[in-house]
Amino acid sequence: GAGVSQSPSNKVTEKGKDVELRCDPISGHTALYWYRQSLGQGLEFLIYFQGNSAPDKSGLPSDRFSAERTGGSVSTLTIQRTQQEDSAVYLCASSLAGEQYFGPGTRLTVT
Amino acid sequence: AQSVSQHNHHVILSEAASLELGCNYSYGGTVNLFWYVQYPGQHLQLLLKYFSGDPLVKGIKGFEAEFIKSKFSFNLRKPSVQWSDTAEYFCAVTNNDYKLSFGAGTTVTVRA
Repeated sequence: GAGVSQSPSNKVTEKGKDVELRCDPISGHTALYWYRQSLGQGLEFLIYFQGNSAPDKSGLPSDRFSAERTGGSVSTLTIQRTQQEDSAVYLCASSLAGEQYFGPGTRLTVT
Repeated sequence: AQSVSQHNHHVILSEAASLELGCNYSYGGTVNLFWYVQYPGQHLQLLLKYFSGDPLVKGIKGFEAEFIKSKFSFNLRKPSVQWSDTAEYFCAVTNNDYKLSFGAGTTVTVRA
């Protein structure tokens, strides 16, 4: 079956621009997560969606970061006014019963 | 906040050697434990998991891990590695609040 997909796979943007990263979770998975993988910080939790509950945004590093999940499926992570320290691989995962399945990630490079 | 420590940053070994990667976590309550693997150019994949029951869990590709509650450890083992086991390995913990806390990862290089 189809796994978690993310787009784009690579994104290069100029400092100060906004970017949107997309995640398509596994069909039927109620939970969706965003993580960030960077050289200096390793793998960090960013945000979590579960069904219709309010998302847990406790991992977002600043108010420039936001995410939404429409219709309980696709999610978009938006970074406004990108900074060089935002350069990382952004990973999306989904789960149904505790085990998280990861997508291939979006590699973001801010120049 | 819970933290996860992986003792080895980079491990280099020859084919057929045994592998053991250490993982310790700081959280004292009920935990769920995972090992993920990331092969070169690929995405994170689950190797094995522990939720409850038998503390010795077996995963894919001949890997196993042992949960020792008294030592807050969840070490990963494989008796005989192959070149194809070259990858980065991540230990992860969640205390039923769904957020995975990852260790820094261990890069394993298997020489043919």
